[in-house]
Amino acid sequence: EVQLVESGGGLVKPGGSLRLSCAGSGFSFSGYNMNWVRQAPGKGLEWVSSITSGSSYINYADSVKGRFTVSRDNAKNSLYLQMNSLRAEDSAVYFCARVGILPGWFDPWGQGTLVTVSS
Amino acid sequence: QSVLTQPPSVSGAPGQRVTISCTGSSSNIGAGYDVHWYQQVPGTAPKLLIYGNNNRPSGVPDRFSGSKSGTSASLAITGLQAEDEADYYCQSYDSSLSGRYVFGTGTKVTVL
Repeated sequence: EVQLVESGGGLVKPGGSLRLSCAGSGFSFSGYNMNWVRQAPGKGLEWVSSITSGSSYINYADSVKGRFTVSRDNAKNSLYLQMNSLRAEDSAVYFCARVGILPGWFDPWGQGTLVTVSS
Repeated sequence: QSVLTQPPSVSGAPGQRVTISCTGSSSNIGAGYDVHWYQQVPGTAPKLLIYGNNNRPSGVPDRFSGSKSGTSASLAITGLQAEDEADYYCQSYDSSLSGRYVFGTGTKVTVL
């Protein structure tokens, strides 16, 4: 079964940092482009970042550019999101999602991990 | 922030047909990029419903169909069922600002 499992969410103070992880299983992780998508409480979906299979191309939403860094370790079938200088508006459930052919669709999605930025 | 516009809500009685529109622009849907649709039951992760404008993944009932024309796309649900009550999002790609994925504003479907 193709599966993505996020971890690393939690409560952090404004200006703080957090590192999210996403573990993939049931497919050839190194062959797929990966993404982070977030959803603030009661709000819609917002794309956050993309990384190609070999990490050669990385892109970020303007709202996180310069503060968030996406990376992956194909040997560990894992995707990461390092979040620095966190703001209240970064509070959201963060999902990782696989993309096949670029630019394509997100499938599957992980269950999400909640990040709350509050003092 | 959303680049793709959807109606906030649509509703219908069981068995009826409802449609959800997704309006974009010349830098995303109008540029020829495909539209994909997701279903999200509150508290759970989004689930792929339609990919490549009008294709259903294995396991998705044929009550769901998609179409695309010009700078817009639509999702139709025929024979509405209680289990279809959820939030629905369209998604595409936008070539502006170094390229980015974009989502619709989301539509809440209520089964009366």
